[in-house]
Amino acid sequence: AQTVTQSQPEMSVQEAETVTLSCTYDTSESDYYLFWYKQPPSRQMILVIRQEAYKQQNATENRFSVNFQKAAKSFSLKISDSQLGDAAMYFCAYRVNYGGSQGNLIFGKGTKLSVKP
Amino acid sequence: DAGVTQSPTHLIKTRGQHVTLRCSPISGHKSVSWYQQVLGQGPQFIFQYYEKEERGRGNFPDRFSARQFPNYSSELNVNALLLGDSALYLCASSFEWFYEQYFGPGTRLTVT
Repeated sequence: AQTVTQSQPEMSVQEAETVTLSCTYDTSESDYYLFWYKQPPSRQMILVIRQEAYKQQNATENRFSVNFQKAAKSFSLKISDSQLGDAAMYFCAYRVNYGGSQGNLIFGKGTKLSVKP
Repeated sequence: DAGVTQSPTHLIKTRGQHVTLRCSPISGHKSVSWYQQVLGQGPQFIFQYYEKEERGRGNFPDRFSARQFPNYSSELNVNALLLGDSALYLCASSFEWFYEQYFGPGTRLTVT
């Protein structure tokens, strides 16, 4: 079974600085998708960025980018020029490709990001 | 376009009772998934429905059931509520079952 591990329960960053959130996963599948979701106090889960495992190029969305290391099964999220609105819980998620849960997401436990003004 | 909507926003129930949670997907989306998020944890997959058929089920007891209607909206039902069922219940919709999922704001269920 696939697992997702986020080893940093909490992180803090100064406004305008850069922070990196870590995520590792375990799978025997060769083709899959990985995601980072943001959950602010409003509870709405918002998709931040996604990475397709067969693509070597790291995904980028404005200030958000990932460092995808397939062999190491590592998928970290880098937030540049941090803003106060980036404060939230961040979840790393793996999308299951095969079996009874096909198409659905396995989440890590999350990292709470605080942004200091 | 409206996003995924869920009702009610909050709900308080007593142990042993039954609850029904509702979800309306984004217009045009044919798949709905349900997740349970216990405080301090990541969401856990409960069910996925696609074109009104169940196509995936997570590791939850039979007290949990769901269905999808012809308009693609969905209901999650939980019978014989336990204290441990207290959680945020998230609904997510996607255009096809394998497309990206977009989440609703959730229903906060408290069981006393």
